[in-house]
Amino acid sequence: GAGVSQSPSNKVTEKGKDVELRCDPISGHTALYWYRQSLGQGLEFLIYFQGNSAPDKSGLPSDRFSAERTGGSVSTLTIQRTQQEDSAVYLCASSLPSRYEQYFGPGTRLTVT
Amino acid sequence: GENVEQHPSTLSVQEGDSAVIKCTYSDSASNYFPWYKQELGKRPQLIIDIRSNVGEKKDQRIAVTLNKTAKHFSLHITETQPEDSAVYFCAEGGGTSYGKLTFGQGTILTVHP
Repeated sequence: GAGVSQSPSNKVTEKGKDVELRCDPISGHTALYWYRQSLGQGLEFLIYFQGNSAPDKSGLPSDRFSAERTGGSVSTLTIQRTQQEDSAVYLCASSLPSRYEQYFGPGTRLTVT
Repeated sequence: GENVEQHPSTLSVQEGDSAVIKCTYSDSASNYFPWYKQELGKRPQLIIDIRSNVGEKKDQRIAVTLNKTAKHFSLHITETQPEDSAVYFCAEGGGTSYGKLTFGQGTILTVHP
């Protein structure tokens, strides 16, 4: 079946502009995660949605970052007033209910100039 | 908070040799330990995982061992092939933060033909 999809695959934006990144999880996966991967680094947790529960936002680096998940499926990560240090690959993952295995999308490469 | 240390950061082996990557973690409540393989420009792919009620798991040429007392786990790849060349990440989850994964910094594995 279809895997996790993300759009856009690449985004170049000017410092100070807002950006929206989209994630479409695997059908039936109730948990959705956002991670950030800076060049040559590991994956840094940002936010986690599980069903109708309140999201775990503990990894968001600042209040410029927010995410929502509509209808329990598609999620959008929004970064306001982008800074150069926001440049990274933003990865989304999803998992089945009550399962630990997370499956990743291809990521969105964000470049802030 | 959770922390995962991964070693070595780079590993170079000859085709046919074995490769071992080690990780230590801090959250004693963690009970899920996956390994991901990430090829250049691609998404991380889950290759094997282990839960805390198991000490070892094997899948063809790859195996993972877990020592909960010492809080460390290892990935073993036998009979390495050039296509095993990639960045490998360990992670821990299922503990106090349930769904989120905390990743190590990654190991760049190069298998020379």
